[in-house]
Amino acid sequence: DTAVSQTPKYLVTQMGNDKSIKCEQNLGHDTMYWYKQDSKKFLKIMFSYNNKELIINETVPNRFSPKSPDKAHLNLHINSLELGDSAVYFCASGVSNQPQHFGDGTRLSIL
Amino acid sequence: QKEVEQNSGPLSVPEGAIASLNCTYSDRGSQSFFWYRQYSGKSPELIMSIYSNGDKEDGRFTAQLNKASQYVSLLIRDSQPSDSATYLCAVIGSGYSTLTFGKGTMLLVSP
Repeated sequence: DTAVSQTPKYLVTQMGNDKSIKCEQNLGHDTMYWYKQDSKKFLKIMFSYNNKELIINETVPNRFSPKSPDKAHLNLHINSLELGDSAVYFCASGVSNQPQHFGDGTRLSIL
Repeated sequence: QKEVEQNSGPLSVPEGAIASLNCTYSDRGSQSFFWYRQYSGKSPELIMSIYSNGDKEDGRFTAQLNKASQYVSLLIRDSQPSDSATYLCAVIGSGYSTLTFGKGTMLLVSP
C-alpha cells in the first residue's frame, strides 16, 4: 500500500512540450512538496502546499505550475520544457517538523 | 540562505568497520534533523531523526547532534556492503517547515 505515489515513473519528451506529473499521498498529511534532484544529485525544494494553499515557492521558472485539488494530491505542470529541466522530480508529504516521506520519483528526460 | 554542508565523498570503509558521516548547518534556530539514505536510482528513505542534543541509537545507526557547534553526525556500526549508498543530511530550519538537504555523502563499503 504505497504511501506517496507519483505518475508517471519515466517521462521522455521533446523540448517545447508541456507535461504533467501527478502525486497522491494516503498518509493524511497536511503538507505536500515537490523537489528537483539534478544530475549532481542535489535535492532542492521547489514548492510546498499546506491544505491546498501554496506556502513555499522557491526560485523556480513560472513555466512550472503546481496545482493541489485537495490535500491528498499535488500535481506539477511544466510548460515549454527545456533541456535543463531534465532531472528527477520527487513528491513528498509531511506534517510540521516531522520527517517527510518521498514518492519514487519521476525521471524526466528532454530530447 | 540556509545551508547544509556535507563532504561529498566517497567515504570508503571495509565491511565490519564504523562509518562516520558528518554534516554542518548554518541556521542556528534549526530544530529538526534527519538522515536519509538514497540508493542509486531510488528515492530518499528516512533512517534517523534527532531533535535534541546528544546521541540517538537505532540498531546499527547512531545519530549525534550538537546544536552549539551546529553539527550532526551519523555513525554506522558493523558496516555492510548493503549500506553502500548516498547519505543525505536534512534540516528543518527556524520558522520554516521545509527540509534543506545537504548534497549527500557517498558511502562505499567493501567486502
